[in-house]
Amino acid sequence: DAGVIQSPRHEVTEMGQEVTLRCKPISGHDYLFWYRQTMMRGLELLIYFNNNVPIDDSGMPEDRFSAKMPNASFSTLKIQPSEPRDSAVYFCASSWGAGTFLTNGYEQYFGPGTRLTVT
Amino acid sequence: AQSVAQPEDQVNVAEGNPLTVKCTYSVSGNPYLFWYVQYPNRGLQFLLKYITGDNLVKGSYGFEAEFNKSQTSFHLKKPSALVSDSALYFCAVRDRRSGGFKTIFGAGTRLFVKA
Repeated sequence: DAGVIQSPRHEVTEMGQEVTLRCKPISGHDYLFWYRQTMMRGLELLIYFNNNVPIDDSGMPEDRFSAKMPNASFSTLKIQPSEPRDSAVYFCASSWGAGTFLTNGYEQYFGPGTRLTVT
Repeated sequence: AQSVAQPEDQVNVAEGNPLTVKCTYSVSGNPYLFWYVQYPNRGLQFLLKYITGDNLVKGSYGFEAEFNKSQTSFHLKKPSALVSDSALYFCAVRDRRSGGFKTIFGAGTRLFVKA
């Protein structure tokens, strides 16, 4: 398996521009997560989906951030308009979770991340 | 509320010596506990987890961790460190009672293994 795929790997944009980050989860995984990593705040969960449905978006910082999962093999995280404080590494992760009462004991598989720089 | 503490920003150890990376947690119920490792410019990689059963959990690359409920700890250990173990290590917790997948990650501990 190719693992979780993210694109682009690096994104440099100017303040005010729209940024779209893309993720392809591992085939068969039914949970997808978006995280943001910064030196100051560490690793933060932004939103996660189960079977393409958003379950918890309480970590999304502002209305400027939005995420979609139109099908089981694709998700986007959009920032519009972008600001310098959005500069971070954004990770997508996926996990298997269906089946038993131990469903939420499954580990997550992370993509390589997108390093976003907003100038 | 769930929380994870990794009290050491950095751990230094000589190659061949045992290593320990500390983690304590706080959850309202019983936890699922995880360790992940991150190498430079890479995503996090799963190392091991505690779900239930034996308190000593063995994982990838010779790592193990011991779940201690009374001390609410889940320290990561390895009997003999390698230079290639140098990386950033994250402890993570999930409250199994919540029924969700929300995982709280610690701030990370940088392990430096000197040859």
